[in-house]
Order: sequence, then structure tokens, then C-alpha cells
Amino acid sequence: QKEVEQDPGPLSVPEGAIVSLNCTYSNSAFQYFMWYRQYSRKGPELLMYTYSSGNKEDGRFTAQVDKSSKYISLFIRDSQPSDSATYLCAMSEKAAGNKLTFGGGTRVLVKP
Amino acid sequence: ETGVTQTPRHLVMGMTNKKSLKCEQHLGHNAMYWYKQSAKKPLELMFVYNFKEQTENNSVPSRFSPECPNSSHLFLHLHTLQPEDSALYLCASSQGGQAQPQHFGDGTRLSIL
Repeated sequence: QKEVEQDPGPLSVPEGAIVSLNCTYSNSAFQYFMWYRQYSRKGPELLMYTYSSGNKEDGRFTAQVDKSSKYISLFIRDSQPSDSATYLCAMSEKAAGNKLTFGGGTRVLVKP
Repeated sequence: ETGVTQTPRHLVMGMTNKKSLKCEQHLGHNAMYWYKQSAKKPLELMFVYNFKEQTENNSVPSRFSPECPNSSHLFLHLHTLQPEDSALYLCASSQGGQAQPQHFGDGTRLSIL
């Protein structure tokens, strides 16, 4: 079993729809959770950073963490074609210092 | 320049060549990282440097040799690579300490002939 599971997609949605992405994980020690966006031929770009459980909102993006279920989500409201990219989740445990564990990424296509 | 810059962006080399990848960060960070990104696989952490000291070597073959002369520069020296080493090599940096968000460069696309 992979430490972090993420559906590779592609996830295709019409413009304006809500995009729902998620990751599951097996290590209950993970406490820090991040979402990155990666465009083709570019490096990953940090979108959201959350600690422990709860919700965090930033513009059209909402990140949710449910530690009891070992499940994190990213929602993108009013999706745009420019949101078409691969979305990577990453997480870390306190004892791991600055080492992150990544999911494999979900490819998202927003169609005009 | 701002952020994390990687050069070259593309590299094609034979298995017997020696080449180096360069990474430079302009964010004032203290930690730098090398990752390998292959198709359909999660990002694989290769090396971590904190304050110029290597703190993580994730069982990387010796044909990959990192060098960190200061907190702003990171190199990955390559020699006698194999075809399976073809991938996107990403450099990242962060503040030192626990679970700091990492900021990535755009990578070097490496192809081994």
C-alpha cells in the first residue's frame, strides 16, 4: 500500500463547475498537509498549506483535512480553463523534519 | 531573478557522459532538495541539504552526486547514467525546520540515450 493515495485522473469538468480532489493516507503521524499545482513543463507551485484537521479557504480554493478518516480534500470553485493542471497533495509528520511525502497527482481538465 | 532557477531546462546525454545540473534559490531559504519525477510515479525525494549539510540521502545510486557549496546553490553531478534515469529532476528550497512549504524550480528534463 502506498503511503499516500491519489487518483491519477484525468478529471474532466466543464468551466464553472466545482472541482473536487482528494488524497488518502495511511500514516496517522502526518500533521502538515499541502496542495501543489503543476502545469505542464513547470515545477509544482504551492497552493494551500494546512496544519492538523479543519478547513482553510483562499479565494476559489478550499482545503479540508479529516485526520480521523486520514483523508484530505481540495475544492476549486468556479473552475476556469486555466485551472487545468496536475494537482499534487503532500504531507509531513512532525518527526520527519522537512521531509514531504507526495501523492502521485491528479490531472484536471477544465473544458470551456 | 526570483524564486528557484534550474539550468539547463533540457539535457540529453549518453550513458558515458558526465554532466551537472544547477539550482539557485533567491528566497533566502536554508534548506534545498533534489527530487526525481517520473511518469505515473510520485515525486521521489533524492537528497536534502540543511544549512549546506546533507541530511538525507534516499538510497540514491552513487552515479548521482550532489553538491551544496552554500545555502543558495545546489548541484547534481551525473555520471554513467542509465536509461531509467531519464526523468524530470526538480530542485526545491524551504526555510529550515519542520514541514516548511517547499518552493520548486521548473526542473531539468533529462534524457539518457
